[in-house]
Amino acid sequence: AQSVTQLDSHVSVSEGTPVLLRCNYSSSYSPSLFWYVQHPNKGLQLLLKYTSAATLVKGINGFEAEFKKSETSFHLTKPSAHMSDAAEYFCVVSYNAGNMLTFGGGTRLMVKP
Amino acid sequence: GAGVSQSPSNKVTEKGKDVELRCDPISGHTALYWYRQSLGQGLEFLIYFQGNSAPDKSGLPSDRFSAERTGGSVSTLTIQRTQQEDSAVYLCASSHWQVYNEQFFGPGTRLTVL
Repeated sequence: AQSVTQLDSHVSVSEGTPVLLRCNYSSSYSPSLFWYVQHPNKGLQLLLKYTSAATLVKGINGFEAEFKKSETSFHLTKPSAHMSDAAEYFCVVSYNAGNMLTFGGGTRLMVKP
Repeated sequence: GAGVSQSPSNKVTEKGKDVELRCDPISGHTALYWYRQSLGQGLEFLIYFQGNSAPDKSGLPSDRFSAERTGGSVSTLTIQRTQQEDSAVYLCASSHWQVYNEQFFGPGTRLTVL
């Protein structure tokens, strides 16, 4: 069965400092990987996706993620946090044979002024 | 429409009552998905439609849950004899047939069962 683990349930950073949200997925020969963001009382928004093209994926709002097959990881990063980045972030996996998305447990990002 | 819409945005009901939740997908999206987001279980898949048929119902938690889709568009998720553990945010998503796993989510329906 497919699975994805977000290693931190909460991450706190200061505004202007780098963000790192960690994600590991269960091994599969061709996963598609995504990061979604959910702001309070808002729907899920797609940040970026990996689908076996370039291993470094750039998304919206300055976020990017790197697919590392040897580590089965897909960590999300941003060079400089902004107050508006405070939200919950979900790492998501989908495999070619299926259409459903499997979500990680989520990481709540807090940004301090 | 411009995005996925869901109604109602909030629903409070009494234990034992039936509820219907509605999802209106993005125009032209053939695939439609229902997920549930709850404190204890996180985000979990419920059911998926391709057109009007549901090839994957594996996530429905019990036979009190059912869903239908008509005209390849609007979908309704029905929960019969609601229980307190059904309290959650129910999310709907849709995707284009060419990019199935890029799903666009609606704002959700928050269901509270008293």
